[in-house]
This record gives sequence, C-alpha cells and structure tokens, in this order.
Amino acid sequence: EAGVAQSPRYKIIEKRQSVAFWCNPISGHATLYWYQQILGQGPKLLIQFQNNGVVDDSQLPKDRFSAERLKGVDSTLKIQPAKLEDSAVYLCASSFRKAPGELFFGEGSRLTVL
Amino acid sequence: AQKITQTQPGMFVQEKEAVTLDCTYDTSDPSYGLFWYKQPSSGEMIFLIYQGSYDQQNATEGRYSLNFQKARKSANLVISASQLGDSAMYFCAMRDGQGAQKLVFGQGTRLTINP
Repeated sequence: EAGVAQSPRYKIIEKRQSVAFWCNPISGHATLYWYQQILGQGPKLLIQFQNNGVVDDSQLPKDRFSAERLKGVDSTLKIQPAKLEDSAVYLCASSFRKAPGELFFGEGSRLTVL
Repeated sequence: AQKITQTQPGMFVQEKEAVTLDCTYDTSDPSYGLFWYKQPSSGEMIFLIYQGSYDQQNATEGRYSLNFQKARKSANLVISASQLGDSAMYFCAMRDGQGAQKLVFGQGTRLTINP
C-alpha cells in the first residue's frame, strides 16, 4: 500500500513570495490533515478535511494560508505572502475514519523563508 | 483545552538498556486516546502505540509499551532493549472526544542511543 505522498520535499523562497505544497493521501482515507512543525516543536494542526469539506481550520492563518481538497482526494496548501516565521516543515497526514485515530504521515515539505 | 506535556527535551541511553519517555496530559473529556509517534531524521512521523482511556490493560507493541496511569494523567512510553535505530524524536499526542480525530502533540523528546 502506497503511503502519503508530499511534494516538494524542500523549498526555499524569499519573504513575500508564494509557495504551494501538494499532498496525496492513502487511497480510501477520507480524512486529511495539514500540520505545521516549527523546528524544535511538536506538529500543530493547521487544517483538517473530511472528504472535501473543512472540519477544523481554527489555527490556519487565513490572511496568508489557504488549503483546498478538490474531489476529496489530494490537497494543496498555499502560503501567500510568506513570512520568515513560516519557515517550518509542513506535514500532511491521512486517516481512515473508522480507525481509533491513527494518522499516517508523509515525509513532509521543508520550507525555508529568507 | 487539551494539553500534552513532555518534560524531557533530551534523553541519552546506553544501547540495550530500557528507557522511559514521560508524557502527561490534561483533558476534561472522559473519552480520549493517547498516541506515541517516532520521528527519525528523515522527518516522517511513525505511529508506535495507542492507548484508549477506557482500555483496561496497558498497550504493548513489540518492544514498546505504554505505562498508562489514569489517575496521574500520565502515559509514559517504555522502550525495552534499546537499539541504535531508536535514536529519534518521540512525540506524545492526544485525541479527545468520541469520534474526534484531531491529534494534539507535545513538544517531543530527543532520544539518543549510545553504542
């Protein structure tokens, strides 16, 4: 079974530029999450989708971050314009709704904002 | 609001020894789940073990076991017979509320196994 796929693995941009990250979850997983992990910290949830609907985006900085999950499969997370404090690893995870909540993570996309 | 606390920023252990990683949590919901994840230098979060709040016995998965003390609100991870490949960041996480699948993570503990 293929795992959660993310791209790009690494991205370096200057502040005020834009960036987009892509995630393809495990086939059949209805729930998709984007987490932000700043160096030295635990992951923080940005947004949670159930199929193509948003369940929780309370910690998403909506003035600069946006995410979509068209057709309830893969998802894109966009940052525009980027700030220095957005430097982090962006982790995508998916889960099968009926499981006790185990999340399967991708390898992450590391963003450096200069 | 739920909260997860991992008080050990770093741990150093000799190979083949057992190690305990601490985790305490705070929630007012009677139904919750506790998870441990391992994050090697490659960056991927790897699920290790799960404990439900109503589970009567402590969870075990191979060399991993969870020392669940409900009254103390602690869920420590025990790794027996540590190996060099166990060197990684370890995160404790909690899901609360029936049906909720959002996980909240602690700050993590960096475990280093010395040969």
